[in-house]
Amino acid sequence: GIQVEQSPPDLILQEGANSTLRCNFSDSVNNLQWFHQNPWGQLINLFYIPSGTKQNGRLSATTVATERYSLLYISSSQTTDSGVYFCAVDNYGQNFVFGPGTRLSVLP
Amino acid sequence: DSGVTQTPKHLITATGQRVTLRCSPRSGDLSVYWYQQSLDQGLQFLIQYYNGEERAKGNILERFSAQQFPDLHSELNLSSLELGDSALYFCASSDRQGVSTEAFFGQGTRLTVV
Repeated sequence: GIQVEQSPPDLILQEGANSTLRCNFSDSVNNLQWFHQNPWGQLINLFYIPSGTKQNGRLSATTVATERYSLLYISSSQTTDSGVYFCAVDNYGQNFVFGPGTRLSVLP
Repeated sequence: DSGVTQTPKHLITATGQRVTLRCSPRSGDLSVYWYQQSLDQGLQFLIQYYNGEERAKGNILERFSAQQFPDLHSELNLSSLELGDSALYFCASSDRQGVSTEAFFGQGTRLTVV
């Protein structure tokens, strides 16, 4: 099955800083998504991005499918950005395989 | 609001008991997935149903079972509960009109086994 890796595992930032989170996957995929799990446990959809680049406010994401990686950029981070960021890829329509996540802490 | 509804939000029960978790997918989505997230762990895939039929199985224990009903809602049954079954259980839906699409997750059911 598809393997998904994320880096870094942990990230501590000062409010206002920028960051880049990376997701590597082992095989070609039809679907890649980024999620934010907030401190209350909710999984919030950030991007559905099997390829290309998308932006949503301070967040943007790029997936280079041919090289099997995706990047999530967070600019001007805020304390509300804290939580765990997961990428997940579609495993041939059977399930979504999640990476281990990047735990982000944004300090005031 | 993702459009996926899970009930109950919280559940506390004793070891050896049986519980049922319920999921209503987004309108039109044919696929339902169940995931387990233990404390500070990643999301582990349990099982997928597509339009009423089991499509894929992950690391689901024999004590656990699921089904998807004709109205496409799904239930996850957990029996002979153990302390280690305490976790956040998520349901997700996708595949609107049979086309693979973005997955959306419910708010989860937090199960505590005491």
